[in-house]
Amino acid sequence: AQSVTQLDSHVSVSEGTPVLLRCNYSSSYSPSLFWYVQHPNKGLQLLLKYTSAATLVKGINGFEAEFKKSETSFHLTKPSAHMSDAAEYFCVVILNRDDKIIFGKGTRLHILP
Amino acid sequence: GAGVSQSPSNKVTEKGKDVELRCDPISGHTALYWYRQSLGQGLEFLIYFQGNSAPDKSGLPSDRFSAERTGGSVSTLTIQRTQQEDSAVYLCASSFSGFSDNSPLHFGNGTRLTVT
Repeated sequence: AQSVTQLDSHVSVSEGTPVLLRCNYSSSYSPSLFWYVQHPNKGLQLLLKYTSAATLVKGINGFEAEFKKSETSFHLTKPSAHMSDAAEYFCVVILNRDDKIIFGKGTRLHILP
Repeated sequence: GAGVSQSPSNKVTEKGKDVELRCDPISGHTALYWYRQSLGQGLEFLIYFQGNSAPDKSGLPSDRFSAERTGGSVSTLTIQRTQQEDSAVYLCASSFSGFSDNSPLHFGNGTRLTVT
């Protein structure tokens, strides 16, 4: 069965410290992987995507993610958190075989001053 | 309880016809979002409702697209004079208040629209 697991429902970090949001997937087929961010009163915004090119993907706002096939992971990182990063983050897998979309349950990122 | 319900789950239509997609959010959820997923693309934000009003319509791709929400509950997304590039999976999501510590986003299973 295909699935996406975001290991933490809430993550709290201090401003200026690194951010790590974890995502693991299970898929029998070659996936495309995405991270989205949901800010208050806004729709989902694409942060970055992996589509079988470089395994280290750089996105907007200083975020990046590394696709590790051996670990079936696609963790999202940022070297230094900013208050404006407080939001909900979704890991999304799209199965290239049939375009089925599988969402993680989301991780709420809190930034402490 | 029941999750976000979308209907139909699949819709095939001829180019030039109008289609209506329906979303039933979770009861009590005031925030409702429409997105679409085109082949090979990421999620594309279309419109956001808070209650019956739409504070953010910035994602509607053209004037052929419209959406309404009545009674703070069910929403319909209407696409007029469909084009082949409208073919996509249309996703609806709802949350209790738009954003709060206890208000995660819940997605429906989507409507797969194919324009022939």
